[in-house]
Amino acid sequence: EADIYQTPRYLVIGTGKKITLECSQTMGHDKMYWYQQDPGMELHLIHYSYGVNSTEKGDLSSESTVSRIRTEHFPLTLESARPSHTSQYLCASSEWGTGVGNTIYFGEGSWLTVV
Amino acid sequence: GENVEQHPSTLSVQEGDSAVIKCTYSDSASNYFPWYKQELGKGPQLIIDIRSNVGEKKDQRIAVTLNKTAKHFSLHITETQPEDSAVYFCAARGMDSSYKLIFGSGTRLLVRP
Repeated sequence: EADIYQTPRYLVIGTGKKITLECSQTMGHDKMYWYQQDPGMELHLIHYSYGVNSTEKGDLSSESTVSRIRTEHFPLTLESARPSHTSQYLCASSEWGTGVGNTIYFGEGSWLTVV
Repeated sequence: GENVEQHPSTLSVQEGDSAVIKCTYSDSASNYFPWYKQELGKGPQLIIDIRSNVGEKKDQRIAVTLNKTAKHFSLHITETQPEDSAVYFCAARGMDSSYKLIFGSGTRLLVRP
């Protein structure tokens, strides 16, 4: 069982509000990721991090931003939410290494609805 | 870059029957192929994975096969049970992208009691 936690699990907010989705892992993993997923659809990588002070954009363009000040913490922020941001956001982590097959562990997801 | 295609998008089987989900990948250098199961309202969970130096791997009722020549890999679930109903995702990772996986589009499996 992976020790990666996301809060809030469900959030409904109004357009224009600023929100931060929290993600924490207790496994000491260096690599962390944020994926965006519409219900039952593909997972799209929007941000990733190799370690503290490292953040990179993923394959899918996103208006969100991330930070990595501590190894265990990788929050995602939307400065001004819009209805198009309504989606599920999945945080994940994996060990750092040059070997293949570093397993990626996912959190339970944060369901964001912008009205 | 890597591209992963997954079929079918939906699959309905009778309890006790077998289910097979297939994925193809484009990058011949890809060497790690995990499968994830996602239940409603939850994050994906790794159920089995295979590396490119192995052709088949089994874990109780689930198995994965890999054909490197044809660049495809498959998930096999035998003696399906209603609790197997979920969305299944395949993924692939190439040698030049050790930090991220490329996911297939998912297969919604329904096991009818």
